[in-house]
Amino acid sequence: DAKTTQPPSMDCAEGRAANLPCNHSTISGNEYVYWYRQIHSQGPQYIIHGLKNNETNEMASLIITEDRKSSTLILPHATLRDTAVYYCIVRGNAGNNRKLIWGLGTSLAVNP
Amino acid sequence: SAVISQKPSRDICQRGTSLTIQCQVDSQVTMMFWYRQQPGQSLTLIATANQGSEATYESGFVIDKFPISRPNLTFSTLTVSNMSPEDSSIYLCSVSMLDSNQPQHFGDGTRLSIL
Repeated sequence: DAKTTQPPSMDCAEGRAANLPCNHSTISGNEYVYWYRQIHSQGPQYIIHGLKNNETNEMASLIITEDRKSSTLILPHATLRDTAVYYCIVRGNAGNNRKLIWGLGTSLAVNP
Repeated sequence: SAVISQKPSRDICQRGTSLTIQCQVDSQVTMMFWYRQQPGQSLTLIATANQGSEATYESGFVIDKFPISRPNLTFSTLTVSNMSPEDSSIYLCSVSMLDSNQPQHFGDGTRLSIL
């Protein structure tokens, strides 16, 4: 079973920031938080990942709480092309814990 | 990141037949994986394709139904054997380097419909 909980759907206005929450209260000390998205009819696209520090790249920012039990993916200026299903995944770095276990994600609709 | 090409991109097949899906990467990668995504569902890992040895299958998936080959570090195939309508899914190939923190990257998948 997936180790994360996400809201099934969210809406965001074009040009505004989209903040996607993820709960991972059972995360272990050596497990990373990964975010992917899947646009309709395409394969999943890697967005960002982090361990405990906040991370930023050209696509998004990842904010991880100090206790690491939750995180937020931020798309700073959402566009219509950001409409997709966003997956938050916890993954370890050894043996079976390295596998990606996928939940149902959050379906983000960016509206004009 | 690596460019991953899957062939075919989609197919419609008759029940009882088999289809082989190819995954080609533009650079050498350590790890290659095969996933299934059934309609309206999330991704489920089928197996890890190991170069030069038998694939490692997840619970619920067997080699007779989903034989996998990986002859080198840039290529793998997944065969869906003796297909039934329940095999109608998107089949996805992903790759990563052995470094434990490197993300997996995905192809665009093969959309398979069984009549």
